[in-house]
Amino acid sequence: DAKTTQPTSMDCAEGRAANLPCNHSTISGNEYVYWYRQIHSQGPQYIIHGLKNNETNEMASLIITEDRKSSTLILPHATLRDTAVYYCFQMNYGGSQGNLIFGKGTKLSVKP
Amino acid sequence: KAGVTQTPRYLIKTRGQQVTLSCSPISGHRSVSWYQQTPGQGLQFLFEYFSETQRNKGNFPGRFSGRQFSNSRSEMNVSTLELGDSALYLCASSLRLPGLNTGELFFGEGSRLTVL
Repeated sequence: DAKTTQPTSMDCAEGRAANLPCNHSTISGNEYVYWYRQIHSQGPQYIIHGLKNNETNEMASLIITEDRKSSTLILPHATLRDTAVYYCFQMNYGGSQGNLIFGKGTKLSVKP
Repeated sequence: KAGVTQTPRYLIKTRGQQVTLSCSPISGHRSVSWYQQTPGQGLQFLFEYFSETQRNKGNFPGRFSGRQFSNSRSEMNVSTLELGDSALYLCASSLRLPGLNTGELFFGEGSRLTVL
């Protein structure tokens, strides 16, 4: 079973910020939080990852709570092309990818 | 830089047959992992290979097997196909080295298998 929980679906207006939450209450000290997304009929695409500090790249920002039990992925200006299923998961540093468990993800629908 | 290439993209088989899927990782990536994705079960881990060695295996029956070659290309095989094996099979490669870094995964487009 997935170690993370995410809402099943979310809507966002085009041009507005999309804030996608993820709970990872069992995360251990050496596990990173990763976010990927999957656009219909394509392979998952890496977005961002972090350990305990907030992270930002050209795609998104990742806000991790101080206790690391939850995080929020922020797409600052959502576009129609951001419509996808977003997966958050935890993966330990250098460990086997057998620990990689994608949950059901959040289906984000960006609407005009 | 070419991405992860999976072949074939689509295939149809009948129950009892076997299938071999191929994955060519990004040049320089030595870590390859395989996943099965179905609407009901989501994305499930199958195996992970690094330097021709299987590092870990998911909870799938022995009908599912894989291997990695010296050039890091990988294949997976499913024997005695069942209807429930119909799925999108995804391969991912990374620079992830055992115990050294948290290299991101680069996924291919997948091989969509339909078992009739």
